[in-house]
Amino acid sequence: DAGITQSPRHKVTETGTPVTLRCHQTENHRYMYWYRQDPGHGLRLIHYSYGVKDTDKGEVSDGYSVSRSKTEDFLLTLESATSSQTSVYFCAISEGVGLFFGSGTQLSVL
Amino acid sequence: DAKTTQPTSMDCAEGRAANLPCNHSTISGNEYVYWYRQIHSQGPQYIIHGLKNNETNEMASLIITEDRKSSTLILPHATLRDTAVYYCIAYNAGNMLTFGGGTRLMVKP
Repeated sequence: DAGITQSPRHKVTETGTPVTLRCHQTENHRYMYWYRQDPGHGLRLIHYSYGVKDTDKGEVSDGYSVSRSKTEDFLLTLESATSSQTSVYFCAISEGVGLFFGSGTQLSVL
Repeated sequence: DAKTTQPTSMDCAEGRAANLPCNHSTISGNEYVYWYRQIHSQGPQYIIHGLKNNETNEMASLIITEDRKSSTLILPHATLRDTAVYYCIAYNAGNMLTFGGGTRLMVKP
């Protein structure tokens, strides 16, 4: 699993509440990514980071923010969750030969 | 990144070779062909990648045509546990790894 831990694994929240998902890695990788996966859409990149405090937007970044204050942690925040953000969220790290993914977080926004 | 085209679904008999095609006619010279698979509800798993030459590892073989416009992932002896969605991606470092719809491979007894 390339030392990637996502937390929480499952979360149910209400519309309008803030939510933060955490991705933790133990192998000092520079690049980290957040994807979401929805039926019929495959995996879509939300945000990525290429170092501490260095982040950039992906193709579906609206409604999300990220922070990377230390190498091992990449946080994804939904400032005000909406039902359209119900999804499975995957964190990934880049290890030179490609991306390695965490186990995912199932988020339900009611 | 170059766009890739894959069949939506395929079936394969258990124990037989599974050959999954991918078209990437607009691939640029510095883009690699990557293959991932995703077993239901798990995170995508790296399988193999290549640039020009054919590649083989413990999981699969990757055959890339000489003009690099298409490739085939080969699982030599498919098992039921190989049932998954397989993604073919054209990618180079510095760009975003973008997943398309993939091929849903069903391995049948």
